[in-house]
Amino acid sequence: GAGVSQSPRYKVAKRGQDVALRCDPISGHVSLFWYQQALGQGPEFLTYFQNEAQLDKSGLPSDRFFAERPEGSVSTLKIQRTQQEDSAVYLCASSLSSQMNTEAFFGQGTRLTVV
Amino acid sequence: GESVGLHLPTLSVQEGDNSIINCAYSNSASDYFIWYKQESGKGPQFIIDIRSNMDKRQGQRVTVLLNKTVKHLSLQIAATQPGDSAVYFCAENPQGGKLIFGQGTELSVKP
Repeated sequence: GAGVSQSPRYKVAKRGQDVALRCDPISGHVSLFWYQQALGQGPEFLTYFQNEAQLDKSGLPSDRFFAERPEGSVSTLKIQRTQQEDSAVYLCASSLSSQMNTEAFFGQGTRLTVV
Repeated sequence: GESVGLHLPTLSVQEGDNSIINCAYSNSASDYFIWYKQESGKGPQFIIDIRSNMDKRQGQRVTVLLNKTVKHLSLQIAATQPGDSAVYFCAENPQGGKLIFGQGTELSVKP
């Protein structure tokens, strides 16, 4: 596609429910990132993939968060037993190169509301 | 911990005026900096970047200045237009692939 696509755009989950958020990166992009953005704040890093390899997951807030990119393209961020503090916009970004310091393109995000 | 912060959370300017958005960073190991624009309901959009071996870079109507001595970054927007209204974030890349974002400055352009 023309850009990074995320689905769903909006998700309302009951506390304790599991959710899965999908990211379709730009075709051919090697690197894929997940960020969490709370209301009124800047995005905060969650995890980073280079192809199918998860190279950095230091930003995942707890073991309830899990991300995968099994074929090096589409990625899924899964949150188990959602809590109210998980409410945020989850942003996915991709970049063409595995080299650092290359432009990352962001999707529109998935707004998760936990009630 | 390491952080990127902004001096001004909000900025209101008149259409046609120049805008300056400032950012302070604390990680001296960072060698790449980016400015993003984020409109309501959208993801961050790349505006301009600069590497640490430069102190100035110009784009179309935008200029980024980097002062490594005082760890300061600024974004200048010339002839600000209503379409420039958004939240602007600076971000740094201290290591690996991840970016560290600042809090953001909301730019409001008055017609």
